[in-house]
Amino acid sequence: QSVLTQPPSASGTPGQRVTISCSGSISNIGHNTVNWYQHLPGTAPKLLIYSDNQRPSGVPDRFSGSKSGTSASLAISGLQSEDEADYYCAAWDDSLNGSVFGGGTKLTVL
Amino acid sequence: EVQLVESGGGEVKPGGSLRLSCAASGFTFVHAWMSWVRQAPGKGLEWVGRIKSKGGGGTTDYAAPVKGRFTISRDDSKNTIYLQMNSLKIEDTAVYFCAWVEKAPDAMTNWGQGTLVTVSS
Repeated sequence: QSVLTQPPSASGTPGQRVTISCSGSISNIGHNTVNWYQHLPGTAPKLLIYSDNQRPSGVPDRFSGSKSGTSASLAISGLQSEDEADYYCAAWDDSLNGSVFGGGTKLTVL
Repeated sequence: EVQLVESGGGEVKPGGSLRLSCAASGFTFVHAWMSWVRQAPGKGLEWVGRIKSKGGGGTTDYAAPVKGRFTISRDDSKNTIYLQMNSLKIEDTAVYFCAWVEKAPDAMTNWGQGTLVTVSS
């Protein structure tokens, strides 16, 4: 059972907009910034969003992040086949004194 | 170009020990905070721990499942961090990734390809 809760799966067709939610608590999302990672099995994970809504250089602006209270969301617009991957939210947890990940959301592009 | 290369993975029996290494290049390692993250077969990503730069105090933090059994250290002269894993359990079987925490306080911008640790009798 992960500290941060994500839906196990999401799907969309090419060109659509999809959102992935991440629910936490005061000790993590409520008090610290949220990061989002994209992971294709067998490869190195990739940072997509940091500090709730900032994109590292090289990440397309199709990817955006937002946060409200103890929940965060990742939005992907103009869905492409190469977006098919696992997506994880993460945040520092003050109570655990460590970083925590969501359980991951498997995105399928239909 | 930033590069992180993990090594030292392999198969070990329950109760055994293993030391992983992560060699870094392409950035100023002495100022870098570094983390270890693992992924068990068929499971999601799990944070293992981190080590701050010496300038940041050089302290370490660990996830509850590994605290007291795993130790992260660094050798700035070799641009390398280590993960000493003792009293290994079957549930420690995973691919272990090292990552550079470039975006404070905990965003991992660059990751290695990972090294597989298998704990099996």
